[in-house]
Parts: sequence; C-alpha cells; structure tokens
Amino acid sequence: EVHLVESGGGLVQPGGSLRLSCAASGFSFSSYDMHWVRQTTGKGLEWVSVIGKAADTSYSGSVNGRFVISRENAKNSLFLQMNSLRAGDTAIYYCARGLGDSSMDVWGQGTTVTVSS
Amino acid sequence: SFDLTQPPSVSVSPGQTASITCSGDKLGDKYVCWYQQKPGQSPVLVIYQDDKRPSGIPERFSGSNSGNTATLTISGTQAMDEADYYCQAWDSSTGVVFGGGTKLTVL
Repeated sequence: EVHLVESGGGLVQPGGSLRLSCAASGFSFSSYDMHWVRQTTGKGLEWVSVIGKAADTSYSGSVNGRFVISRENAKNSLFLQMNSLRAGDTAIYYCARGLGDSSMDVWGQGTTVTVSS
Repeated sequence: SFDLTQPPSVSVSPGQTASITCSGDKLGDKYVCWYQQKPGQSPVLVIYQDDKRPSGIPERFSGSNSGNTATLTISGTQAMDEADYYCQAWDSSTGVVFGGGTKLTVL
C-alpha cells in the first residue's frame, strides 16, 4: 500500500529552525516528484515546495530563501528544512506525491508546526 | 502572480448536480486538478488533467476546463460528498497554485 508519513513538527520560537521528514513506502520513491503543502487551521491549502526526480527544486515566494527541500532516495525520504520561521508559517504541513503534471495523488496525514514565543 | 478564484460555498440537494467553478486567466491553457477534503482529513485527488478520475473515485465526479474557467461537477450528489473542494493548477511564474476552496453543503 502506498503510504506517506510526516514527522518533525512541533513548537518553535520565531526565528528558529525545524526539519520535517516524510517517509514513503509502497512505491518507487525515486520515480516521483514530491511536494510539501501547508494548511493553516480552518484555512485553505498553500503550496510550499517541490523537488523533482532529478532533485530540481522550486519554492513558493513566501518561503523562498528560508526553506530548503531535499530528498534521499536510498531511504525513501523527503525533507523540508525550515529556517527563520515566522508566526505565519504556523500550519499543518503535508507531503504529497506528484504526478508530473503538478497534481498530487497521495498525501500524508500531516505534521503540525507552531511558531510562537 | 497567478490566482485561482472559487466561490466560498455551494449548496446542493441530495441527488442533484453540484457544480463548483474555478477561474483564472487563460486557465484553459493549463491542466487543472481538484481535491476533496473532509474535516480532519488530508486532501484526496478526485480529478486530474482537467477531466481524468483517479482509480477509486466514483464516476459521479467529472471535470472540464475551457477559457478562463474550470468546473468540477458532481452528479447525483450524496451526503458523503459534503466537503471542501480545491482546484489547483501550475503556473510557470508562480508554481503550484491552489484556489481558495469551496465548501460544498448537501442539504
């Protein structure tokens, strides 16, 4: 069964850093683009970043320069290094498998990041 | 930046057809997909590449995209279809873009 499990969320102070992980199973991880998407409580979805099969990356304007996406295919793992965190980064962070046309067909359960002093 | 606009809410009676729109500049030139999200759950892809259904998605879900508007249509709407629905597309300048979401109420 195809599965994505996020971890690494928690409470962090403004200006701090956090590293999220996403463990993939049940599919050939290296063959897919992988995305991070976030959602604030009661609000809509916001795309954060994508890493392609060739490890090419792209970021939303709101996180560009602060967040770094990476992958380790040998461990079927996706990461999001989040630096210079702000209150506005508080959200549930989902990892999702990309179909290459930018749609995302498998989503994890999400991990919660809270940025607060 | 590229924006996608959805109505905040749509209501439909059980068994009737629900239509949810998504508007954006020259949206018909891009692929659009749709997600369903129920409270406390992760999003589920229900339509991709404008009109394709992933495996396991009921046939009552369909999509179209032309001009500046994409539409998600749910035929014979059921109570279990009550959820938030998000459209999404890719823009070369902005990246992945989501619409603001539409709350579908079945009453």
